[in-house]
Amino acid sequence: DSGVTQTPKHLITATGQRVTLRCSPRSGDLSVYWYQQSLDQGLQFLIQYYNGEERAKGNILERFSAQQFPDLHSELNLSSLELGDSALYFCASSVRSGGYTGELFFGEGSRLTVL
Amino acid sequence: GQQVMQIPQYQHVQEGEDFTTYCNSSTTLSNIQWYKQRPGGHPVFLIQLVKSGEVKKQKRLTFQFGEAKKNSSLHITATQTTDVGTYFCAGLINAGNNRKLIWGLGTSLAVNP
Repeated sequence: DSGVTQTPKHLITATGQRVTLRCSPRSGDLSVYWYQQSLDQGLQFLIQYYNGEERAKGNILERFSAQQFPDLHSELNLSSLELGDSALYFCASSVRSGGYTGELFFGEGSRLTVL
Repeated sequence: GQQVMQIPQYQHVQEGEDFTTYCNSSTTLSNIQWYKQRPGGHPVFLIQLVKSGEVKKQKRLTFQFGEAKKNSSLHITATQTTDVGTYFCAGLINAGNNRKLIWGLGTSLAVNP
């Protein structure tokens, strides 16, 4: 158990819909990262938040957005969903404050299926 | 752009054989990390290498960081079925105030009992 909690574990929805994925980082971790993993693909970095502020952006589509709340949990919002958005979405947190320097602790992921 | 190439993409071995996966970066890395993802699971941190030429061992796993800090390898001696999974390397690149973790695409290891 990494200490990172993601909900929901599974989600099935239709094209055009909007979903929200939730992540609670490890206690004390200030940084939250979102990754997308499609079938047989590597980990695509989407976005990072540190202590409530956006810190780094990766290959995140304009239809996607995220935020980190004062209690440090984070939400990833995916809208106008397309079939290609079907993937495993991981949240990870980092023990270090400030810029990334060390290991990431991953949650178990949210598997999104868009039909 | 900055890339971390990881080879091979797939590897099938007989139980007891050795296995090695390699990562090569186009840019000097501040550190390199290795993660393992079991089938159906999430990535789990294995180790971080920071120093040029660093070698670390974890039981049957040996991790190396190249002298130029642009390449790394993970070697597993005498594989077991519990080693099955995908091994990812991730290199940290310092670009001024912007730090980026660049991930390899992973090497999927299958072990035949």
